[in-house]
Amino acid sequence: NAGVTQTPKFRVLKTGQSMTLLCAQDMNHEYMYWYRQDPGMGLRLIHYSVGEGTTAKGEVPDGYNVSRLKKQNFLLGLESAAPSQTSVYFCASRTGANYGYTFGSGTRLTVV
Amino acid sequence: DQQVKQNSPSLSVQEGRISILNCDYTNSMFDYFLWYKKYPAEGPTFLISISSIKDKNEDGRFTVFLNKSAKHLSLHIVPSQPGDSAVYFCAANDNYGQNFVFGPGTRLSVLP
Repeated sequence: NAGVTQTPKFRVLKTGQSMTLLCAQDMNHEYMYWYRQDPGMGLRLIHYSVGEGTTAKGEVPDGYNVSRLKKQNFLLGLESAAPSQTSVYFCASRTGANYGYTFGSGTRLTVV
Repeated sequence: DQQVKQNSPSLSVQEGRISILNCDYTNSMFDYFLWYKKYPAEGPTFLISISSIKDKNEDGRFTVFLNKSAKHLSLHIVPSQPGDSAVYFCAANDNYGQNFVFGPGTRLSVLP
């Protein structure tokens, strides 16, 4: 049982390049989330999805897009990477309103 | 303005002693709270939760206390062990919201 899997684990991008981060969960969870973690800021919500085919903006959505075409996958896209998007990105999923998240192990992204 | 605050960025405790991690929140609608533990290069893992209908929840060495009138919760770890050294995040949910709001985290170091 893999839980939540994020790919890639590390990536270095040049300013202006684009990339997609993939999150896959095998727990049949309805809710999926993308967070970024920056020093002193905790985990800030980028986008989330409450079910297949739905997405919504979180606290810091600018510069990112997401898609949830299949229930088990949640993709995070950066169309034109900026140095301010250097961060550690975590995907999470959960099954209901009052249940805790299961997190992936993170993607460390550096934009130079 | 942060809705969930962890005002101590770091805490050091001797092995065997009690660790107390604090969390304050501003939104009176929050009624479900989680604590997560995070080791370096790993995703956060769920530790313990508490609902607003309780003022205490225990799980082994971990106890969470909730003071609704003060909008304050605390995590007690007794006895502290070196393996408890990690960053601890407090998170809150208003039960109607679809997301948890995370605090900035407290780095706990348990010294042998």
